[in-house]
Amino acid sequence: AQRVTQPEKLLSVFKGAPVELKCNYSYSGSPELFWYVQYSRQRLQLLLRHISRESIKGFTADLNKGETSFHLKKPFAQEEDSAMYYCAPKGLTGGGNKLTFGTGTQLKVEL
Amino acid sequence: EAQVTQNPRYLITVTGKKLTVTCSQNMNHEYMSWYRQDPGLGLRQIYYSMNVEVTDKGDVPEGYKVSRKEKRNFPLILESPSPNQTSLYFCASSSVWSGGAGHYGYTFGSGTRLTVV
Repeated sequence: AQRVTQPEKLLSVFKGAPVELKCNYSYSGSPELFWYVQYSRQRLQLLLRHISRESIKGFTADLNKGETSFHLKKPFAQEEDSAMYYCAPKGLTGGGNKLTFGTGTQLKVEL
Repeated sequence: EAQVTQNPRYLITVTGKKLTVTCSQNMNHEYMSWYRQDPGLGLRQIYYSMNVEVTDKGDVPEGYKVSRKEKRNFPLILESPSPNQTSLYFCASSSVWSGGAGHYGYTFGSGTRLTVV
């Protein structure tokens, strides 16, 4: 079965500190991977996709097939980064048209 | 403006009274989906649709129905709502490529907060 794990429910860091939000997946085949962000009382927004290898708002995420991980990283946290972050791998095997989200990690950036 | 529009934003209803939450997108997206968001459980997929007249169950479809008669609309129907369906609901859409082998990531609606008493 396809599974996504975000082991941290809450991550608190100080402003300017590095951030790493963990995401591990268990999939057969090659997954597509996304990170979404939800700021307080707002809709979810696509943050980045691993296929495009982009950096959005200073965040990057590298697919590590050996570790089956897609951790989200930012070298210097900003107060406006405080939000809920969801990892979402999508399986491509056997009619894998579902987009299954992790349970999310609440990032709190403190001054 | 490209967007996904859900209505209503808030709804309080009583057990057993049928309701429909509407979702409409103006981006000509093939793929549409409904999720519910609950504390500690994250987002769980209820139903999704690959295109007009093509729908399939997600992870938590019980108690819900959907239809996709037009490409832009994907209503969520609760025939007999129960208190355990109290949740925050999100509709989302996406373009797909290569015959459904991938998609570009979702655009989400603003959410519908449903309370069933």
